[in-house]
Amino acid sequence: DAGVTQSPTHLIKTRGQHVTLRCSPISGHKSVSWYQQVLGQGPQFIFQYYEKEERGRGNFPDRFSARQFPNYSSELNVNALLLGDSALYLCASSSRGDEQFFGPGTRLTVL
Amino acid sequence: GENVEQHPSTLSVQEGDSAVIKCTYSDSASNYFPWYKQELGKGPQLIIDIRSNVGEKKDQRIAVTLNKTAKHFSLHITETQPEDSAVYFCAASISNFGNEKLTFGTGTRLTIIP
Repeated sequence: DAGVTQSPTHLIKTRGQHVTLRCSPISGHKSVSWYQQVLGQGPQFIFQYYEKEERGRGNFPDRFSARQFPNYSSELNVNALLLGDSALYLCASSSRGDEQFFGPGTRLTVL
Repeated sequence: GENVEQHPSTLSVQEGDSAVIKCTYSDSASNYFPWYKQELGKGPQLIIDIRSNVGEKKDQRIAVTLNKTAKHFSLHITETQPEDSAVYFCAASISNFGNEKLTFGTGTRLTIIP
């Protein structure tokens, strides 16, 4: 079975731009979560969606938004990019919520 | 909110020896504790997890122990092999179907010396 897939793999943007990251969960999984991992640190929770509803939000500014589609795939949007937004963005999917399986991530570089 | 502390930050172990990584958590309501292995350039891989109604769980060379009273849980890897070299993260969450936020530790870089 295919695991969690994310696109793109790498992305380079400049300050002030907008970015959209995409995630496809494991087949049958209805919950998708997004995490930000800065180099040398553990992942930090951004959002969790279950059945297309936002179920949790981490301590991130309103520049960060997300949504989940009817096929359970998800998008993470970040507006007005800052240098500090450079990180690995991870998507995780789960069927029962707590067992979360991560994708390979999208490496975002903001110049 | 939950706070997870992880020690040590780096660990070097001779091949064949055992490795132990320790974590503490702050929120007594946390009831799910997974461990992830992250290799360079990859996403975290779930290797083992434990729930608060269990004190110990083992899967081949990997075991996890949980002490709810002390709010402490540990990862034990026996008979270490070079492919065990990676960064390991512990995490904690409150299992609440559809609303589970994982709080991660800061990671342990494990190096297996051949």
